[in-house]
Amino acid sequence: GAGVSQTPSNKVTEKGKYVELRCDPISGHTALYWYRQSLGQGPEFLIYFQGTGAADDSGLPNDRFFAVRPEGSVSTLKIQRTERGDSAVYLCASSLTDNNEQFFGPGTRLTVL
Amino acid sequence: GEDVEQSLFLSVREGDSSVINCTYTDSSSTYLYWYKQEPGAGLQLLTYIFSNMDMKQDQRLTVLLNKKDKHLSLRIADTQTGDSAIYFCAERGLSGYSTLTFGKGTMLLVSP
Repeated sequence: GAGVSQTPSNKVTEKGKYVELRCDPISGHTALYWYRQSLGQGPEFLIYFQGTGAADDSGLPNDRFFAVRPEGSVSTLKIQRTERGDSAVYLCASSLTDNNEQFFGPGTRLTVL
Repeated sequence: GEDVEQSLFLSVREGDSSVINCTYTDSSSTYLYWYKQEPGAGLQLLTYIFSNMDMKQDQRLTVLLNKKDKHLSLRIADTQTGDSAIYFCAERGLSGYSTLTFGKGTMLLVSP
């Protein structure tokens, strides 16, 4: 595709449930980033992949959050036992290498009831 | 830790210039960025400046960087109603590889 795509665009779930958020980066981009944007805040870094490996996961808030990128392209952010405080827009970005402009997707709005 | 601060709101009339300000704390910042976010859309990179520069101009956009004071500004000349959006300042430091630290964003409202 032409840009970074994220699915679903909206996800409503109940407290305690498990969710998966998907990111399709721009073809050929080796670096992929996940950010979380809460209401009225700027995006906050969660995790960064270079290829298949997580180069920096220091932004993940706790062990309920996990992300994978098994083939170095599509990435999935997984949240276990969701809490109301997890409600936010989850943004994905990709870049050609880790030293290039990051292109952002439209985000997935997660609402935990 | 790294911190990026911005004023939250700016209102201007169409045709005026807008100036959005940002301060940051990470003295090792290598690049500083301005992103635009419109409702329902992803972040769009507007412009960026390398830390060894003090000014960059790109059409209607002028970025000024005062590294001593850790102050960054974005000037939009001849502001249009289509410029109404949230503008985020972001920095990339040496400590965080290529990850970005964002401010909370400045909402720019342009009235006709």
